[in-house]
Amino acid sequence: EDQVTQSPEALRLQEGESSSLNCSYTVSGLRGLFWYRQDPGKGPEFLFTLYSAGEEKEKERLKATLTKKESFLHITAPKPEDSATYLCAVRGGAQKLVFGQGTRLTINP
Amino acid sequence: DGGITQSPKYLFRKEGQNVTLSCEQNLNHDAMYWYRQDPGQGLRLIYYSQIVNDFQKGDIAEGYSVSREKKESFPLTVTSAQKNPTAFYLCACTQAGGNTIYFGEGSWLTVV
Repeated sequence: EDQVTQSPEALRLQEGESSSLNCSYTVSGLRGLFWYRQDPGKGPEFLFTLYSAGEEKEKERLKATLTKKESFLHITAPKPEDSATYLCAVRGGAQKLVFGQGTRLTINP
Repeated sequence: DGGITQSPKYLFRKEGQNVTLSCEQNLNHDAMYWYRQDPGQGLRLIYYSQIVNDFQKGDIAEGYSVSREKKESFPLTVTSAQKNPTAFYLCACTQAGGNTIYFGEGSWLTVV
């Protein structure tokens, strides 16, 4: 059974303080690892898709990396507007997304 | 504008009632999904459909029903058999063979 575990559950940073969020996964035949951002009361907003170990993607202050067992979402010099819940999901042979429980990120000014 | 539209945004259900959540997309995507999100938790798959007139149960299908009569529409009915329906419901879609799944803005369902 495909599984995704995200850590930490919650993270508070000061503005400008870089850090990383972790997503550990087990999946049969990885067809993609996805990162989403979700603001309170809103639907998830797509950020990145990673397909194979060693792949990296960047968008503004965010950078996602992938190994065979985990993915990291690195946040460099974050701003208060980066505060949100970040969701990780994997898609395996069953063609459905399996989500982790998310990391709630708060950036204090 | 292209996208996924869910309605209503907020819905209240009395005990014993069935309610239907609407999901419409104009992205011409083949596959559509319904997820449930409880506070502080990740998304759990209720039902998904990869083509018109066909759909499969997800991990928590009990107490829910769906139909897929048109490519652009995938309504979800929360039946009275669903004992704990209060949650945030999210509809999503993706292209055939595509990997990225795009979400609507969600619908809040509360039992009163």
